[in-house]
Amino acid sequence: EDQVTQSPEALRLQEGESSSLNCSYTVSGLRGLFWYRQDPGKGPEFLFTLYSAGEEKEKERLKATLTKKESFLHITAPKPEDSATYLCAVQNSGNTPLVFGKGTRLSVIA
Amino acid sequence: DGGITQSPKYLFRKEGQNVTLSCEQNLNHDAMYWYRQDPGQGLRLIYYSQIVNDFQKGDIAEGYSVSREKKESFPLTVTSAQKNPTAFYLCASSIGAGTGNTIYFGEGSWLTVV
Repeated sequence: EDQVTQSPEALRLQEGESSSLNCSYTVSGLRGLFWYRQDPGKGPEFLFTLYSAGEEKEKERLKATLTKKESFLHITAPKPEDSATYLCAVQNSGNTPLVFGKGTRLSVIA
Repeated sequence: DGGITQSPKYLFRKEGQNVTLSCEQNLNHDAMYWYRQDPGQGLRLIYYSQIVNDFQKGDIAEGYSVSREKKESFPLTVTSAQKNPTAFYLCASSIGAGTGNTIYFGEGSWLTVV
């Protein structure tokens, strides 16, 4: 059974304090790892898809990396508007929908 | 504008009632999904559909029903058999259910039992 574990559950940063969120996964043949951002009371917003170990993608202050067992979402010099819950999801080699982790709730304090 | 529209945003259900949540997309996506989100539980899959007139159960389908009569529409009915329906419901779609296809979400619907 595919599993996704995100850590930490919650993270509180000062503005400008860089850090990383972790997504560990077990999946039968990874075909894609997805990162989403979710604001309170809203639907998740797509950020990145990673397909193979060693791949990296960047968007503004965010950079996602992928190894064979985990993915990291690096946040460089975060701002208060980066505060949100960040969700990780995986898709296996079968024709099945994404499996999501429980998310990391990020708070960036000015 | 292209996107996924869910309605209503807020819905209240009395004990014993069935309620239906609407989901419409104009992205020309073949696959559509319903997820449920509870605090601290992440997203759990209720039902998904890869093509019109076909759908599959997800991990928590009991107490829910769906239909897919049109490509752009995938309504979810929360039946009286669902014992704990209070949650945030998310509809999503993707080009196909195949590997690597990104899922895009609507803005969600809050359902509360009163």
